[in-house]
Amino acid sequence: DQQVKQNSPSLSVQEGRISILNCDYTNSMFDYFLWYKKYPAEGPTFLISISSIKDKNEDGRFTVFLNKSAKHLSLHIVPSQPGDSAVYFCASRETSYDKVIFGPGTSLSVIP
Amino acid sequence: NAGVTQTPKFQVLKTGQSMTLQCAQDMNHNSMYWYRQDPGMGLRLIYYSASEGTTDKGEVPNGYNVSRLNKREFSLRLESAAPSQTSVYFCATAQGSREKLFFGSGTQLSVL
Repeated sequence: DQQVKQNSPSLSVQEGRISILNCDYTNSMFDYFLWYKKYPAEGPTFLISISSIKDKNEDGRFTVFLNKSAKHLSLHIVPSQPGDSAVYFCASRETSYDKVIFGPGTSLSVIP
Repeated sequence: NAGVTQTPKFQVLKTGQSMTLQCAQDMNHNSMYWYRQDPGMGLRLIYYSASEGTTDKGEVPNGYNVSRLNKREFSLRLESAAPSQTSVYFCATAQGSREKLFFGSGTQLSVL
């Protein structure tokens, strides 16, 4: 059973608009969450993270929101740029076990 | 500054053959991970090692073995390769339980 879900396999957004990528998790013991970006033929690269004691974290154009009661997090990219076109993975961590579980990913296309 | 190095980058095996995927890091990180990436499945955790001398199963450990040789190296072994193990394999490292993961560039494995 998938512990981290990204229910939208793909998303298409116009350049300059907001991209919103969603992620849901089932394990209430997860207490640290990360977003990764992946280009073809490369390893994933870290984008932004959030601890369960926060509900928002911002880094430039990227903001992650966490709703613990709903076990839901989202990544907002504003404004979206063509270079943001990539696969985005949500990941959740249970720090006591040091295990990091990834979701299936969402492929974002930003149209110029 | 190599970071996380995976070898080989590409490999073709016949069913039943064995091989070892190598991962080495020069970041002095404690934790190391092996993931496989398959279309529609995202990154699935195979095994991880929270520190030198310890290893734990992830989501999909069957058919694999690992060895944390020292702090720098974490190898993944396929004893008898099967076509279902055709995938892209990624090694990752992290300093600690609340730190981001750094990924290698991946090994593309085909089992015929």
